[in-house]
Amino acid sequence: EVQLVESGGGLVEPGGSLRLSCAASGFTFSHTWMNWVRQAPGKGLEWVGRMKSRINGGTTDYNAPVKGRFTISRDDSKDTLYLQMNSLKTEDTAVYYCTTDAPSPGAYWGQGTLVTVSS
Amino acid sequence: QSVLTQPPSASETPGQRVTISCSGTSSNIGSNHVYWYQQLSGTAPKLVIFKNNQRPSGVPDRFSGSKSGTSASLAISGLRSEDEADYYCAAWDDSLSGRWVFGGGTKVTVL
Repeated sequence: EVQLVESGGGLVEPGGSLRLSCAASGFTFSHTWMNWVRQAPGKGLEWVGRMKSRINGGTTDYNAPVKGRFTISRDDSKDTLYLQMNSLKTEDTAVYYCTTDAPSPGAYWGQGTLVTVSS
Repeated sequence: QSVLTQPPSASETPGQRVTISCSGTSSNIGSNHVYWYQQLSGTAPKLVIFKNNQRPSGVPDRFSGSKSGTSASLAISGLRSEDEADYYCAAWDDSLSGRWVFGGGTKVTVL
């Protein structure tokens, strides 16, 4: 059974940093492209970025609102995806989900972790 | 403002059919597959349609998808109370170095 479990969310002040983790199981993580998607309170879904598998170059793509502030990485030895968030803004407040890109984009989702940016 | 355009709401009585539209452009829906997600209240999204019209295992055949040009639609027939949820369309967008884009979501209410 595929499982994705996010952690690391919490309350942080504007300008601060936070690192989210997504622990994966039930599939071959090292072969799978992974995405981060967020959802602000009461709002729709917004793609944050993705990381390809190492065999496909391990490159990353980001949405414009987070480019230069957020960094996606992965540790295939731990089957874990990360999202390092720096220079956080109040508009980054959201539930952050990790999702697989296979067998289809968004085929599997974690339960999400809430990040609140507030002073 | 979302890149893909969906109506904010749709409603129908049990047993009837409801259709949700999703409008995009040549750089997203016009040249890439469309995906649909169902989000029940307080839960993570769930994939219900992939590659325009394919259903993942376990999704009832009451759910169907279609695409034509730069628009797509999701239809739910034989509407049931458990179908009440927010539905989002998504597609890869080839502009701006590439990115996933979503519709703003449609709240389906079963009357």
